[in-house]
Formats: sequence, C-alpha cells, structure tokens
Amino acid sequence: DILMTQSPSSLSASVGDRVTIHCQASQDIKNYLNWYQHKPGKAPKLLIYDASNLRTGVPSRFSGSGSGTDFTFTISRLQPEDFATYFCQQHGHLPPKAFGQGTNLEI
Amino acid sequence: EVQLVESGGTFVQPGGSLRLSCAASGFIVNHYEMNWVRQAPGKGLEWISYISSNGATIYYADSVKGRFTMSRDNAKNSLYLEMNSLTVEDTAIYYCAREDPSAVALDYWGQGTLLTVSS
Repeated sequence: DILMTQSPSSLSASVGDRVTIHCQASQDIKNYLNWYQHKPGKAPKLLIYDASNLRTGVPSRFSGSGSGTDFTFTISRLQPEDFATYFCQQHGHLPPKAFGQGTNLEI
Repeated sequence: EVQLVESGGTFVQPGGSLRLSCAASGFIVNHYEMNWVRQAPGKGLEWISYISSNGATIYYADSVKGRFTMSRDNAKNSLYLEMNSLTVEDTAIYYCAREDPSAVALDYWGQGTLLTVSS
C-alpha cells in the first residue's frame, strides 16, 4: 500500500505569512494528489486537486505543486480563516486512497 | 444544492454492530463514486471505503476489511455502512463524501456522525 508522509505535523504562523506544507508518497503517484482543509466540527473542504489545480471558488492564495513522490502546498498570505488542519490525499494507486497525517496550522 | 447528511452514530459496546446512513440530495448517488472517511479523536483523516458509480467495485481499507460493508440504495438516494465486530479503535466521526469524477477528489462531504465504541 502507498504511504503518505506529510510534514510538518504542526506549524505556527501569523496572518500575512507564507507557509508551505510537504507531502511525500512512498511510490510514484504522478500528479494524483489532492489537498483538503479541515476545521473542527466542520466538513473537510477540497482545495487543490491533481497536485496543482485550484478548485473553483478557492482563493488564489492557495497553491500546490509537485509530481511523482514529492508535493508541496503553499498559502501565500495567511488569512485568519486559514488556521485549520490540512491533509494531502493520494488517488493514484487504489486502494487505499490514503491521507497524510495532517498539518495543524496554528496562530 | 448538494448535501450529504450522515446519521446513525451512537454509543456501542465492543463486539457490537451498527449501520450508518448517508442521505444525499442535490445529486444522484449512483451517478458518482462515493466514499466513507473517518477521523478518530485526535487523529487524522482515514479513508475506509469506496463504491463505484455502477456499484460493481467496492474497496475497503485493511483496517475495516471483512468487518464493514458499504452499500447503496438508489431509490432512497442513500449510502450505508454496515459495521460489525466493532472495537474501541473504530471510535471516530464518520463522513460520507462524493467524488468529483473529473478531479477524482472528494468535492462534497457531510458533517459527520459520531460512533463511540466503549465498554
């Protein structure tokens, strides 16, 4: 099975900062990598699909890049509403559609 | 408007069984791939099950294989997750999620239903 390793597990930042989260797959998954935002008590929200495609309606300060085994998620200028947990998920090799461990982005 | 509403979560003793439901509105469930995902307390998201749009393919995570069964009722536009031989490790919020076929990503999620397994 594919394992997704996400780092860091937690991150402290301030409004206006640029932050980067990394996700590494244990096998080549081409660009089959999605990013989600999750806030406590809320449904997770899809932000980026296929590594770099911004979902319609998602602010352009969110971006993603990478292919193969190494991927990056960036928030260019943090806004107060961005403090949440972020997860990567692969869909290149099924099953499982494994998630990374998550990155808790804190103020 | 696309909506997914999970129900059925409750308190169960180890070894027990339970069925979770996910009622969909705003779209037709058998036109989409659907998934169940869970989050245990203090843990990350764990994908647990998938059903193809035609129902011919169902996948399970190793952690639930042989104990959980995913199904669909097209007439009720609903998904189900039948869970048997529950353990404390199954305690989690369970989400159903729709898969965008063009993005192969989970584009709509429910709010989740809480299952607590404890003696």
